[in-house]
Amino acid sequence: EAAVTQSPRNKVTVTGGNVTLSCRQTNSHNYMYWYRQDTGHGLRLIHYSYGAGNLQIGDVPDGYKATRTTQEDFFLLLELASPSQTSLYFCASSVDGNTGQLYFGEGSKLTVL
Amino acid sequence: GDSVIQMQGQVTLSENDFLFINCTYSTTGYPTLFWYVQYSGEGPQLLLQVTTANNKGSSRGFEATYDKGTTSFHLQKTSVQEIDSAVYYCAMRDGGQGGRALIFGTGTTVSVSP
Repeated sequence: EAAVTQSPRNKVTVTGGNVTLSCRQTNSHNYMYWYRQDTGHGLRLIHYSYGAGNLQIGDVPDGYKATRTTQEDFFLLLELASPSQTSLYFCASSVDGNTGQLYFGEGSKLTVL
Repeated sequence: GDSVIQMQGQVTLSENDFLFINCTYSTTGYPTLFWYVQYSGEGPQLLLQVTTANNKGSSRGFEATYDKGTTSFHLQKTSVQEIDSAVYYCAMRDGGQGGRALIFGTGTTVSVSP
C-alpha cells in the first residue's frame, strides 16, 4: 500500500505568518502534488513536481512556494499567510505523469487568523 | 482550458436506494476519466477509471459509464449502503498532455441513512 505522510496535521497561524507544510512519500514515486480542498471548489492544484529539484506551476499558485528536495520530500511554503489560505491541504504522489492513480495523504488543516 | 463540472453538490439517500452522479467535461484531447472517493477524515482514493476506449469501468459495486456525444460520464450504484456515505469526485486527465496533473470536479457529498 502506497504511503504518503503529511505534517503537521493541524496548524494555526496569524496573518503574515510563515508556514511550511511537509510531505513524505515512501513509494519511490516520481510525481508529487499539492492540492487545496475547499467547499464549493473541490480539489485545486497548487504545485507539482516530477522529481527532485523540479517544480511545476498548478492552477492556484499565488501566495505559495514549493520545493522538492528529494524524491521523497515535497514542501509547501506560505511566507506571508493570509486568511484566504485557510484550507485543507493534501499532498499526493503518483508513479508517473500519465497514471490516474494518485495516492493522497491524510491532509493538513491550516487556519490563518 | 480543460475543465470538469460536477453539478450535484449534495445527494441524500436511504439504504438500498439507487445512486447516480453525473459529470461533464471539456477538453480538446482524448481524456481518461476517473472517480475518486473520500471518506470522512481521509484523503481521496481512486475508485475507478473509465477510458474513452472501453466506455465503462466498475469497482466495489460501483459502475461508471461515459458518453462521448454529451461529453459526460457518470457514477452509479444500484443499492447504496450507509458505508457509501462519502464525497465523490470526478476527475480527468487529457491523454494528449502527458505529465499534466489530474483536474478534479467540485465533489458530490453523498449521505446515506440507514
